[in-house]
Amino acid sequence: EDQVTQSPEALRLQEGESSSLNCSYTVSGLRGLFWYRQDPGKGPEFLFTLYSAGEEKEKERLKATLTKKESFLHITAPKPEDSATYLCAVRKAAGNKLTFGGGTRVLVKP
Amino acid sequence: DADVTQTPRNRITKTGKRIMLECSQTKGHDRMYWYRQDPGLGLRLIYYSFDVKDINKGEISDGYSVSRQAQAKFSLSLESAIPNQTALYFCATSVTDRVGNNEQFFGPGTRLTVL
Repeated sequence: EDQVTQSPEALRLQEGESSSLNCSYTVSGLRGLFWYRQDPGKGPEFLFTLYSAGEEKEKERLKATLTKKESFLHITAPKPEDSATYLCAVRKAAGNKLTFGGGTRVLVKP
Repeated sequence: DADVTQTPRNRITKTGKRIMLECSQTKGHDRMYWYRQDPGLGLRLIYYSFDVKDINKGEISDGYSVSRQAQAKFSLSLESAIPNQTALYFCATSVTDRVGNNEQFFGPGTRLTVL
């Protein structure tokens, strides 16, 4: 059975304090690992897709990396506006269904 | 205007009532999805549709049904609502599968409370 586990569940950071979120997965035939950002009361907003081990993608203060077993979302020098829940999801080789992890709630205090 | 819209945004109902949640999209995508989100459990897939004539069950379809009225419209029904269906419901869309462009786009969500 496909599983996606995110850690930690919650993260409190001071502004400027860099950190990393983890997404561990077990899936046969990975065909994409997705990162989303979700603000309270809103739907998830797409950030990145990673397809193969060693791949990295960046957007502003966020950088996502992928290995064969896990993905990291690095937040460099975060600002309060980076506060959100970050979700990761995996897609198998067949179809376009996503399996989501439970998310990491990030709070960045000024 | 939003690309993926959901109505209603909030709904409170009673046990046993029939409820319909609606989703419309202007993105021109052929694939549509319904998810529910519960605290700490992430999003779980209820149903998905790859085109108007294609409907598939997701991991938690019991107690739910769907209708794909047109390429742009996908509705979710709870035939007889129960309290453990209280959750945040999201509709999502995506383009037909092709390498390098498979992300799903989500609506704003419907908060459903079943008393």
